[in-house]
Amino acid sequence: QKEVEQDPGPLSVPEGAIVSLNCTYSNSAFQYFMWYRQYSRKGPELLMYTYSSGNKEDGRFTAQVDKSSKYISLFIRDSQPSDSATYLCAMKIDSWGKLQFGAGTQVVVTP
Amino acid sequence: EAQVTQNPRYLITVTGKKLTVTCSQNMNHEYMSWYRQDPGLGLRQIYYSMNVEVTDKGDVPEGYKVSRKEKRNFPLILESPSPNQTSLYFCASSPDPYNEQFFGPGTRLTVL
Repeated sequence: QKEVEQDPGPLSVPEGAIVSLNCTYSNSAFQYFMWYRQYSRKGPELLMYTYSSGNKEDGRFTAQVDKSSKYISLFIRDSQPSDSATYLCAMKIDSWGKLQFGAGTQVVVTP
Repeated sequence: EAQVTQNPRYLITVTGKKLTVTCSQNMNHEYMSWYRQDPGLGLRQIYYSMNVEVTDKGDVPEGYKVSRKEKRNFPLILESPSPNQTSLYFCASSPDPYNEQFFGPGTRLTVL
C-alpha cells in the first residue's frame, strides 16, 4: 500500500465550478502538507503549505487537513480554464524531512 | 531570472549507453534533489544533496549516481541505463530542506 493515495482523475468541471481534490495517507506521523500544481511539460510549483490540522485559504484556493481521518483536501473556487493542470499532494513528517508525493490528479476546466 | 535548468529536455537512448542529465540553479541554494515521475506513482526522490560534496540516497537510488562539486550544479548520471529507467526526471533546489523546493522543467528520458 502506498503511503499517499490520490485519485488520478481526470476530473472535468465547467468554468466557475468548485474543484474538490483530496488525498489520503497512512502514516500518522505526517505533519506538513502541501499541494503542488503541475502544468503540462512543466515542473511542479508549490500552491499551498499547511502545518498540522485545519484550514488555510489563499485567494481562490483552500487547503484542509483532517489528521484524525488522515485526509487532506484542496478546493478551488470559481475555477478557470487556466486552472487545468495536474495537482499533486505532498507531505512530510517534520520540517526537515523528505517529501512523499501522491500520484497527482489531472483537472480539466472547460470554458 | 531565478530558475532551475535541466538539459537535455528530451533524450532517447539505448540500453547500456552512459548518459548525464545536467541540472543547474542560479539561486545560491544549498539543497538540491532529483526525482523521477512515473504514471500512477507520483514523484519519487532519487538522490539529494545538502551542500557541496554532500549527497545521500533517496527512495529509488538504484542505477543512478550524482555528484555535487559546485553549489549550482547537480548532475544525474546513468552509467548503464535500462528500459525501466524510462521516466520523466525533475531536478529541484531550495535554500534548505525546510523550505519550498523549486523544480526544473523536467527531462523526458526514453531508454530503448
